[in-house]
Amino acid sequence: GESVGLHLPTLSVQEGDNSIINCAYSNSASDYFIWYKQESGKGPQFIIDIRSNMDKRQGQRVTVLLNKTVKHLSLQIAATQPGDSAVYFCAENHSGGGADGLTFGKGTHLIIQP
Amino acid sequence: GAVVSQHPSWVICKSGTSVKIECRSLDFQATTMFWYRQFPKQSLMLMATSNEGSKATYEQGVEKDKFLINHASLTLSTLTVTSAHPEDSSFYICSAPEGTSRYNEQFFGPGTRLTVL
Repeated sequence: GESVGLHLPTLSVQEGDNSIINCAYSNSASDYFIWYKQESGKGPQFIIDIRSNMDKRQGQRVTVLLNKTVKHLSLQIAATQPGDSAVYFCAENHSGGGADGLTFGKGTHLIIQP
Repeated sequence: GAVVSQHPSWVICKSGTSVKIECRSLDFQATTMFWYRQFPKQSLMLMATSNEGSKATYEQGVEKDKFLINHASLTLSTLTVTSAHPEDSSFYICSAPEGTSRYNEQFFGPGTRLTVL
């Protein structure tokens, strides 16, 4: 089965509100996670990443939380803007060696209502 | 950040023909590149790992004779879809990490939309 998955396919929030996008993973050996944003017809764009030795990491308007106990991570976007409308994927890199391909979750379509 | 380009951005071909898609790292060298496929409203699925100077490694279920990969230089990987059929219609995306560590950011190309008639 899929190693990384998402709970909700679509999330609609009001502009200016905060949004939380969730992701579950099943591989206990997973130790590196990345969030990507994909706009329609484009390739994924890196947002933020987190290693398993951390449980929280913050960027500009974004925060990723990692709960290894329940194998769950989330992406929080503060003060959402129209440009945040996109599909968001969590991805996992569980290779024990060098650069490796990523396993993507199903994706959540974030819709920002005006 | 680093830039990865793909060419063409879209292509329409007849069933049975072959199509070549290029992936280039524009401002960095990449010994490894990755090819993904994405069907409409679905996630990205890793197809194969392209290794400069050696054979590509394919994910389970991906036909290596159908999806030919050549990584001839440190900035170019090509994916050739041979004898394309309508079920091969998809969005093909490549990525390249800037560096050899698994923690290096992977930069994605803009994707190539393939439509097989």
